[in-house]
Amino acid sequence: NAGVTQTPKFQVLKTGQSMTLQCAQDMNHNSMYWYRQDPGMGLRLIYYSASEGTTDKGEVPNGYNVSRLNKREFSLRLESAAPSQTSVYFCASSERSTGIGSPLHFGNGTRLTVT
Amino acid sequence: KNEVEQSPQNLTAQEGEFITINCSYSVGISALHWLQQHPGGGIVSLFMLSSGKKKHGRLIATINIQEKHSSLHITASHPRDSAVYICAVSSWGKLQFGAGTQVVVTP
Repeated sequence: NAGVTQTPKFQVLKTGQSMTLQCAQDMNHNSMYWYRQDPGMGLRLIYYSASEGTTDKGEVPNGYNVSRLNKREFSLRLESAAPSQTSVYFCASSERSTGIGSPLHFGNGTRLTVT
Repeated sequence: KNEVEQSPQNLTAQEGEFITINCSYSVGISALHWLQQHPGGGIVSLFMLSSGKKKHGRLIATINIQEKHSSLHITASHPRDSAVYICAVSSWGKLQFGAGTQVVVTP
């Protein structure tokens, strides 16, 4: 019973490099999310996918792109990494949209450092 | 201005003590969530509530919709309760998070 699987756990990038964070859930959830967590701040939504085939910007989308590959997988891409993107990234999923009030299930996070 | 405010920011308690964490919000909500983030970083959903009170083991969550306030109580605290506790509200299709309360329970 894996829940939400997120890879990699750690990554160091140089400014300008690109990478993709992978996320997969096995709970048949409709909605998936990417958050970033910075010290002293609450989790902030980067992008979300309310259902398969749809994606929408969240609070802090600049510098990121996403793909909802299928119902299970939702990836986050950094095309040209910047030091401001140093953060801990969390993928999450829920059965229904968080606006309706459905519990969130989180991955274990990716600690990204951009030098 | 964060629309979800938690207090205190940090809390230290001795094993066995009763702990209360508060969450105030300024928007209309459909539900409020309490999350626990372990020292290793993983985040677990503890409660989702839209009215009244919920209890799970030694954890109790309450919400007062009129006052826009929720509390998370930990009874008979234990060192394994040491974690960051995060309040989040579902509002207008989005989830907004508080900054979290760091709880340390000492033996």
